[in-house]
Amino acid sequence: SQQGEEDPQALSIQEGENATMNCSYKTSINNLQWYRQNSGRGLVHLILIRSNEREKHSGRLRVTLDTSKKSSSLLITASRAADTASYFCATDGSNYQLIWGAGTKLIIKP
Amino acid sequence: EAGVTQFPSHSVIEKGQTVTLRCDPISGHDNLYWYRRVMGKEIKFLLHFVKESKQDESGMPNNRFLAERTGGTYSTLKVQPAELEDSGVYFCASSQMSGRYDEKLFFGSGTQLSVL
Repeated sequence: SQQGEEDPQALSIQEGENATMNCSYKTSINNLQWYRQNSGRGLVHLILIRSNEREKHSGRLRVTLDTSKKSSSLLITASRAADTASYFCATDGSNYQLIWGAGTKLIIKP
Repeated sequence: EAGVTQFPSHSVIEKGQTVTLRCDPISGHDNLYWYRRVMGKEIKFLLHFVKESKQDESGMPNNRFLAERTGGTYSTLKVQPAELEDSGVYFCASSQMSGRYDEKLFFGSGTQLSVL
């Protein structure tokens, strides 16, 4: 069954603006990861946040985790055209498999 | 360093035919995973190899799907006979460590399978 659910499903913003995507999950986790997929390419790992962390930064990315609400957010600041992609959250399931949401499609308009 | 490579990138077949997808993981990565994304839906786990052994195949949809990893290097995923609902993008991923919840996966570009 689906563990992570991202919202919005699609997001279109102007270049330079900030983009925020959210992810909700159902069961307790050890960590949560965010991946990016550019069109026609593979998934690329962006950032991992552990269950005992509340916020993490990597370059223009900021991830928050609220385990009480079973939710996470990914903020991309000062968006660029190259940020156009689909973004997925993934949580750890049983036997170390990842459980994924349906993704948020982000479009950065020039 | 070469990344995870998948072949073919696209495959269009008719219902009832057989298709074999191949994945070459990053050299030295013992863990190999297959995932699938059906159009617009979430990515779903299919199975996990540790070297040549199937560690977890709980996500395989049915016995029309057969995965192998002979010699613990590359892996193949065969669908026989293919059905319309098998259409989607099949991703392969590899990782170095096993038994870790924080392992980072390296993904291939995927195989877009279309069953007509």
